[in-house]
Amino acid sequence: DSGVTQTPKHLITATGQRVTLRCSPRSGDLSVYWYQQSLDQGLQFLIQYYNGEERAKGNILERFSAQQFPDLHSELNLSSLELGDSALYFCASSVKGDTGELFFGEGSRLTVL
Amino acid sequence: AQTVTQSQPEMSVQEAETVTLSCTYDTSESDYYLFWYKQPPSRQMILVIRQEAYKQQNATENRFSVNFQKAAKSFSLKISDSQLGDAAMYFCAYRRANAGGTSYGKLTFGQGTILTVHP
Repeated sequence: DSGVTQTPKHLITATGQRVTLRCSPRSGDLSVYWYQQSLDQGLQFLIQYYNGEERAKGNILERFSAQQFPDLHSELNLSSLELGDSALYFCASSVKGDTGELFFGEGSRLTVL
Repeated sequence: AQTVTQSQPEMSVQEAETVTLSCTYDTSESDYYLFWYKQPPSRQMILVIRQEAYKQQNATENRFSVNFQKAAKSFSLKISDSQLGDAAMYFCAYRRANAGGTSYGKLTFGQGTILTVHP
């Protein structure tokens, strides 16, 4: 158990819909990262938050947005969903000034039909 | 931008044998961290081993060891005495370090190598 909690674990929805994925980082971790894992694109970095502020942006679509709340949990909002958005979405957290890895949640499997 | 390349989409090994997974990376930084993560069918991303670029000594974790060649920008993973539980997708990853030597920012991943272990 990495200590990072993601909900829901599985989600099935239709094209055009909007979903919210939630992540609770490890206790004390200030940074949250979102990744998308799809078969054709591999593991793609989407966005990073540090202590409530956006710190870095990767290949995140304009239809997607995220935020980190004062209690440090984060939400990834996916709107106007397309079939190609079907993927595994990971959240990871880390401590500032650490010397190593990101700690990953178990992921949220999104299926868009 | 940093890139990580894993040239072996799939590898297989017999149980109890040794296998090496390859990884190369491209960066202009001198300080950084390299990792191997394992993703079994459960989907969980599990850290296997970590290497700090400033350390010349290759990292070792039980049956897992790396061959870190900084000049060649190569970072291979050797799994000794392979076990059925080692079957998974393995990802090589890079993370930059700041002036103080601590890591920060995102992980950049390679495309992954699927490892099959035959009994």
